[in-house]
Amino acid sequence: GDSVTQMEGPVTLSEEAFLTINCTYTATGYPSLFWYVQYPGEGLQLLLKATKADDKGSNKGFEATYRKETTSFHLEKGSVQVSDSAVYFCALSDLNMSGSEKLVFGKGTKLTVNP
Amino acid sequence: GAGVSQSPSNKVTEKGKDVELRCDPISGHTALYWYRQSLGQGLEFLIYFQGNSAPDKSGLPSDRFSAERTGGSVSTLTIQRTQQEDSAVYLCASSTPSGTGGSTDTQYFGPGTRLTVL
Repeated sequence: GDSVTQMEGPVTLSEEAFLTINCTYTATGYPSLFWYVQYPGEGLQLLLKATKADDKGSNKGFEATYRKETTSFHLEKGSVQVSDSAVYFCALSDLNMSGSEKLVFGKGTKLTVNP
Repeated sequence: GAGVSQSPSNKVTEKGKDVELRCDPISGHTALYWYRQSLGQGLEFLIYFQGNSAPDKSGLPSDRFSAERTGGSVSTLTIQRTQQEDSAVYLCASSTPSGTGGSTDTQYFGPGTRLTVL
């Protein structure tokens, strides 16, 4: 079945450092790819998404490019802030016969940014 | 506008008791999903509703778990004879399905219900 593998955390960075969180996927079809973020004490929020190969999703300075050839969707940010401290989840959805677009998540990567 | 809401926010119960968890999706969202977030298993899909029907129940872990949706809106997840391994945060999400011209594929999550089974 479909699966998502993302780098294990925790990741600790200093403010203004460069961030990369690796994510690779396995899917039988042509999935959409997502990064969700969970800030401390809050619910899951969509950070960015890409629905087809070579699409780049971006939001709040974060970017990820859908790479079909390497089945990857790595999250990057050029200069992290303390407020970016959160748990980041890579996910995919693939439309199935039932019409479900259920999300398959990676295990999450906890990011801590120190001032 | 209002987002997805869930109640209760926290539920503590004794092993063997039944519990009901409620989800109010975003108005107009016809697709509704339940997920479970636990330390050991991460985030797992449970069930998908389109309107009031549930064409994908493949994630329900046992027959102690059931869910219904009425009026194309509110959904209730019921766990019978709770076990300690049911302890988790239960998340609900809603979306506008592909092809309807809305924000396809984006699922909006509620704050979750933290279930603790003693």
